[in-house]
Amino acid sequence: DVKVTQSSRYLVKRTGEKVFLECVQDMDHENMFWYRQDPGLGLRLIYFSYDVKMKEKGDIPEGYSVSREKKERFSLILESASTNQTSMYLCASSLSSSADTQYFGPGTRLTVL
Amino acid sequence: DAKTTQPTSMDCAEGRAANLPCNHSTISGNEYVYWYRQIHSQGPQYIIHGLKNNETNEMASLIITEDRKSSTLILPHATLRDTAVYYCIVRGYSGAGSYQLTFGKGTKLSVIP
Repeated sequence: DVKVTQSSRYLVKRTGEKVFLECVQDMDHENMFWYRQDPGLGLRLIYFSYDVKMKEKGDIPEGYSVSREKKERFSLILESASTNQTSMYLCASSLSSSADTQYFGPGTRLTVL
Repeated sequence: DAKTTQPTSMDCAEGRAANLPCNHSTISGNEYVYWYRQIHSQGPQYIIHGLKNNETNEMASLIITEDRKSSTLILPHATLRDTAVYYCIVRGYSGAGSYQLTFGKGTKLSVIP
């Protein structure tokens, strides 16, 4: 079974803090993704990575950065958290091609006060 | 990616088959039909996908009409743990856009004891 884990299920941060969200997959997948999910807006892609040290912007990269130093780990960084970044953050991974099935982690519900 | 239409909500008696329909009349020849579900406050869970032929796995069956304009996800013996929002997604298998999953509003399935 594919296993995608995220460092925290719930996180509360203050405005202006630097926030790190970690995602780890144990299936040797090439591709990893960060989405956010908000009521009425569905899932929106923030960034994805198709290889170590490679990254591509998704639809809403502003205010976020990512890091992929090792194949199994993909980090999402909020440089200076703002209240409009309160959301559910979902990490996913897929095997290699863009068409491969994406498997999701349990999600991190981030609240920025 | 082609647009999908699903009913907003459905009820199913525990132990009975749950049949969830999806319309995707604008689907093109290289697009797959994917189904995910999301239990409240958890990450989306992959269920099944197909291109033309009907598919079955340990979780569900996917029936795709011959013209590929609609499909039905079948949960053969629904349990209370199957209560979730079910998403039907159509996605291509090539190009940068195929990396992204587009989740619509889905169908809220309630399994009734």
